Amino acid sequence: SQKIEQNSEALNIQEGKTATLTCNYTNYSPAYLQWYRQDPGRGPVFLLLIRENEKEKRKERLKVTFDTTLKQSLFHITASQPADSATYLCALVGNTGKLIFGQGTTLQVKP
Amino acid sequence: DSGVTQTPKHLITATGQRVTLRCSPRSGDLSVYWYQQSLDQGLQFLIQYYNGEERAKGNILERFSAQQFPDLHSELNLSSLELGDSALYFCASSTRDNEQYFGPGTRLTVT
Repeated sequence: SQKIEQNSEALNIQEGKTATLTCNYTNYSPAYLQWYRQDPGRGPVFLLLIRENEKEKRKERLKVTFDTTLKQSLFHITASQPADSATYLCALVGNTGKLIFGQGTTLQVKP
Repeated sequence: DSGVTQTPKHLITATGQRVTLRCSPRSGDLSVYWYQQSLDQGLQFLIQYYNGEERAKGNILERFSAQQFPDLHSELNLSSLELGDSALYFCASSTRDNEQYFGPGTRLTVT
């Protein structure tokens, strides 16, 4: 069955460092992949979308890569700040357009 | 502010009861999605409507139903409520690329 895996352990890093979050998927050929940020008790907020024919996408301090051979996406936040602390969700969109979310990885940036 | 509104913000009710959650999508968006998020399950897709028609179904229980009205607002009806239905319920609307914009959610507590 289709499966999306994100590291369930929280990622703790020091302010100013680069945070790297991983999203792996199996039994799936997504047309594109999305990353969302979610703060406690609030709805997810769309960050970035990357298509299957794109290797990399950037937006300000955010960078996403998409490797369809490895079936993996990496999400990087450079020069991280305490305000970046949140849970980050990856979501895959298949050809039916249905969006499936990973469980999310919690990032904690310490000052 | 995503432009998606949900009411009520909080709902406390007893087992066996029925509740209705309401959602208004962003102006111009024709699709409405409903998600359930509980601590142990992550964000689970329930159902999607597009311009009044059901488009896709996820892990939605038979006790749950939804509809989208001509003015594009949507309602999610939850009946015969059980303790396990306690969760955050999110509504989202999307762009053509399926970038989802989430509402603030309704926190349902079943006692």
